[in-house]
Amino acid sequence: SQTIHQWPATLVQPVGSPLSLECTVEGTSNPNLYWYRQAAGRGLQLLFYSVGIGQISSEVPQNLSASRPQDRQFILSSKKLLLSDSGFYLCAWSVTDSSYNEQFFGPGTRLTVL
Amino acid sequence: AQKVTQAQTEISVVEKEDVTLDCVYETRDTTYYLFWYKQPPSGELVFLIRRNSFDEQNEISGRYSWNFQKSTSSFNFTITASQVVDSAVYFCALSAYTQGGSEKLVFGKGTKLTVNP
Repeated sequence: SQTIHQWPATLVQPVGSPLSLECTVEGTSNPNLYWYRQAAGRGLQLLFYSVGIGQISSEVPQNLSASRPQDRQFILSSKKLLLSDSGFYLCAWSVTDSSYNEQFFGPGTRLTVL
Repeated sequence: AQKVTQAQTEISVVEKEDVTLDCVYETRDTTYYLFWYKQPPSGELVFLIRRNSFDEQNEISGRYSWNFQKSTSSFNFTITASQVVDSAVYFCALSAYTQGGSEKLVFGKGTKLTVNP
């Protein structure tokens, strides 16, 4: 069966510090991968998505970047965190085929920027 | 652009009551998919159901049921005989595509359900 991991689970970082959040998927090949952010009291906003190694697309302009160095690894980064980067970050994956498939989410990382 | 509206921000019920969570969507796509996810206090989103726009039959899964009405662009979710473990934030989502043509989900803001013993 497929599983998705995220770490760390929680993170408290000062403004201006770098960030690296990691997401890995097991039990599937060539998945679509996604990074979402959930701000307090709001729905989920898609930040980045990837359809393959090295292929990253951004949905919204922001202070963050993403990379996919391996088929089942997705990394969210920042060189200098802002207060507005605080939130709950969720990684998700979906099957790549002709049908529109549901996305499966990881446990999330709660980031607080102070 | 696609949009999902969950007008109920918070709902509080007593255990064993039935509760319906509303979801209204907007899309110009002729073919689309609708989803419900549950987010318990732990934070992880749990997939509940996927429904495509051509299938308007209601679906029941145990205490959960879904009512899809294309005429009113609604996809409501009912929990029968609610239990404390049903307490969570529930999200409705709609299929969409990124500018690059990849799939993405557009989420409503969620409804927080609290079931009291």
